[in-house]
Amino acid sequence: DTEVTQTPKHLVMGMTNKKSLKCEQHMGHRAMYWYKQKAKKPPELMFVYSYEKLSINESVPSRFSPECPNSSLLNLHLHALQPEDSALYLCASRRGPNNYNEQFFGPGTRLTVL
Amino acid sequence: DQQVKQNSPSLSVQEGRISILNCDYTNSMFDYFLWYKKYPAEGPTFLISISSIKDKNEDGRFTVFLNKSAKHLSLHIVPSQPGDSAVYFCAASENTGNQFYFGTGTSLTVIP
Repeated sequence: DTEVTQTPKHLVMGMTNKKSLKCEQHMGHRAMYWYKQKAKKPPELMFVYSYEKLSINESVPSRFSPECPNSSLLNLHLHALQPEDSALYLCASRRGPNNYNEQFFGPGTRLTVL
Repeated sequence: DQQVKQNSPSLSVQEGRISILNCDYTNSMFDYFLWYKKYPAEGPTFLISISSIKDKNEDGRFTVFLNKSAKHLSLHIVPSQPGDSAVYFCAASENTGNQFYFGTGTSLTVIP
């Protein structure tokens, strides 16, 4: 299994809603990532979990809350988002630091905040 | 501060010819470099990578060249095919770290 899956594929939410994005991988990878991508821009790093511990938080607003329940799952909890948070949210995983290994990306969740 | 740059936002190439995509970086601690291909509304797909101990890596139609002294890498696609039309991102990292730094992307169009 060489796949990163993300659900839902599309999400529309109001500014007062609470929703969650889910990411799953069964490759035994120990590093997992959340990125945000706007059209015609590179992926923008949000969070990195390494061995299920948050290792990088790129000064992301608290309305985004990550969670890593186990080594295969990564969630992103959303609350009180703004319209400018509308973007493609990408999850990625990697075997771990060292040994020159690449990130595998999921297909993304297209989020629209009304 | 953009540590990885792709100075050509777009590139058009005739089918069957060579596509050359370029990428520059500023951080001399980077020692692992990757190229990703991305279609609209999809996640990036890994294409090819190179570590700093090499200056060339080849995989089928894709070859990546690394010039460490110039802090420059390039992706060659030969022969180019219409299905190669996508946005290509280069990325760099320090092997001991977990963070990847992405370039701004080059949109490649292969004309049939």
